Amino acid sequence: DQQVKQNSPSLSVQEGRISILNCDYTNSMFDYFLWYKKYPAEGPTFLISISSIKDKNEDGRFTVFLNKSAKHLSLHIVPSQPGDSAVYFCAASAVGGGADGLTFGKGTHLIIQP
Amino acid sequence: DAGVTQSPTHLIKTRGQQVTLRCSPISGHKSVSWYQQVLGQGPQFIFQYYEKEERGRGNFPDRFSARQFPNYSSELNVNALLLGDSALYLCASSLDLGASFEQYFGPGTRLTVT
Repeated sequence: DQQVKQNSPSLSVQEGRISILNCDYTNSMFDYFLWYKKYPAEGPTFLISISSIKDKNEDGRFTVFLNKSAKHLSLHIVPSQPGDSAVYFCAASAVGGGADGLTFGKGTHLIIQP
Repeated sequence: DAGVTQSPTHLIKTRGQQVTLRCSPISGHKSVSWYQQVLGQGPQFIFQYYEKEERGRGNFPDRFSARQFPNYSSELNVNALLLGDSALYLCASSLDLGASFEQYFGPGTRLTVT
């Protein structure tokens, strides 16, 4: 059973517009959430994270929102740029992280159209 | 500084054989984790090692084993290969344990079992 779900396999957004990627989780023990970006033939690259004690974290064009009651988080990219085209993975971890590692969703392929 | 390196890049093995994958973490990083990424899925946690000790294990059979050396490099071994073991194997290193310590991923080893 998938504990981290990314229900949109792909998303197409026009350059300059906002990209919104969504992620849902089922495990109440998760308290730290991360977004990774992956280009073909490369490993995932860390993008941004958020602790469960916050509901928003911002880093430049990237903002992550966490709604604990709905067990939902989203990644906003504003404005979207061609280099943002990649697969985005949502990941979650329980306290300590080490024993269970990171739990990843299946990913969303973001395509930025010129 | 060099990032996480993995070898080999690609590997083809036959069912029933054994394989060893290698990972060198970023200099100064003491924790190494291994993930398996099957096509169309997100990475799935296999092991985490810290200071040469296993600190976490995912839901994988005993055919999978790993170790970490005094220089913090790591090997992942898979015995009695099955067709279903065909995947991208990712290694990630972090400075310390805990989800708040960013995990840096290598480019992965693509294993094909025929």
